[in-house]
Amino acid sequence: TQLLEQSPQFLSIQEGENLTVYCNSSSVFSSLQWYRQEPGEGPVLLVTVVTGGEVKKLKRLTFQFGDARKDSSLHITAAQPGDTGLYLCAGLPPLYNTDKLIFGTGTRLQVFP
Amino acid sequence: DVKVTQSSRYLVKRTGEKVFLECVQDMDHENMFWYRQDPGLGLRLIYFSYDVKMKEKGDIPEGYSVSREKKERFSLILESASTNQTSMYLCASKRDSDDTDTQYFGPGTRLTVL
Repeated sequence: TQLLEQSPQFLSIQEGENLTVYCNSSSVFSSLQWYRQEPGEGPVLLVTVVTGGEVKKLKRLTFQFGDARKDSSLHITAAQPGDTGLYLCAGLPPLYNTDKLIFGTGTRLQVFP
Repeated sequence: DVKVTQSSRYLVKRTGEKVFLECVQDMDHENMFWYRQDPGLGLRLIYFSYDVKMKEKGDIPEGYSVSREKKERFSLILESASTNQTSMYLCASKRDSDDTDTQYFGPGTRLTVL
């Protein structure tokens, strides 16, 4: 069974601080996604990374896919209260014709004003 | 915008009751999914469907069944609810030809089984 471990599980920081969330596995994925889930809502896709070593930026959020496509990181610069939420990584196994995403354990971020 | 709706935001049922959770998507997506979400465990796939009347087991199908009679609707059924099925249930849909593999989620149903 492929697993995705996220760290840290919880993070409480002050507005303006930087942070990094990690998503690690011993398995290779053909692509990796990051979702954010706000209270009372379903997860919403932030980004998909496909190529080993790929870096994508979304305003203050920087996503990186590991060279070996086994891990990923999400870095937030100058966090704001609006970044508060549950961050989930999700990997697509390198199997033909599968839509079964493997979700990480989640990182709950709280940004205080 | 893709819209995925779930029939209830909150549901309280008693042990042994039959429970139906309904999910409807309005974007003609072929693939639909049911997950449960528990703290520290992320999202775990219960069942998914890639076409009308087609279903496949996910990672934790025990105690659940599903029905997909129409393309836009995917139902999750708990034949005899148990307390360990207390959880947040999330439905998602995806276009089969979407290379980005984006799944669109509903707002979730928080089920409590007493």
